Amino acid sequence: DQQVKQNSPSLSVQEGRISILNCDYTNSMFDYFLWYKKYPAEGPTFLISISSIKDKNEDGRFTVFLNKSAKHLSLHIVPSQPGDSAVYFCAAKYYNQGGKLIFGQGTELSVKP
Amino acid sequence: DGGITQSPKYLFRKEGQNVTLSCEQNLNHDAMYWYRQDPGQGLRLIYYSQIVNDFQKGDIAEGYSVSREKKESFPLTVTSAQKNPTAFYLCASSPWEPTSTDTQYFGPGTRLTVL
Repeated sequence: DQQVKQNSPSLSVQEGRISILNCDYTNSMFDYFLWYKKYPAEGPTFLISISSIKDKNEDGRFTVFLNKSAKHLSLHIVPSQPGDSAVYFCAAKYYNQGGKLIFGQGTELSVKP
Repeated sequence: DGGITQSPKYLFRKEGQNVTLSCEQNLNHDAMYWYRQDPGQGLRLIYYSQIVNDFQKGDIAEGYSVSREKKESFPLTVTSAQKNPTAFYLCASSPWEPTSTDTQYFGPGTRLTVL
């Protein structure tokens, strides 16, 4: 049973516009959510995170929103740049399982010039 | 520089052979993890280890084995019992404190192809 879901396998956006990547989860015991970015044939790199006690976290062009009642989070990238083209993974952490993460399937973002 | 290394980058093996993938970290992290990535399936956890000489099965442990004899090292053996071993394998490490919000740090990955 997939506890973290990214239902859009791919997303195409024009350079300069906003990219919105979505993630849904089913387990209310998650206390922290993270987004990772991955280029082909490389390991994922941490992008941004949010605690379950917050509803928004911003870091430069990247903002993550958390809607706990809907069990939904989203990553906004504004403005999108061609270098943002990558696979983005949403991940969630249980409050009592240390550093262990549950990952979604990933969304491949393509930013067109 | 601190980080995680995986070797080799590309690995080819004949069907029926066991193969061991290397993972080393110098971040002084307690926990280490192994994932495999397949197209459309994201990152699936194979095994993880919270401390030396201890490890737990992840979601897809069948056909794999691990050891954790040193804090810095967490090798993964893909055995001949693994039915679909061709994949991209990722190793990660993190601190292990229950209240920690530190993230997992990933190595560059190993692409295993079984012929």
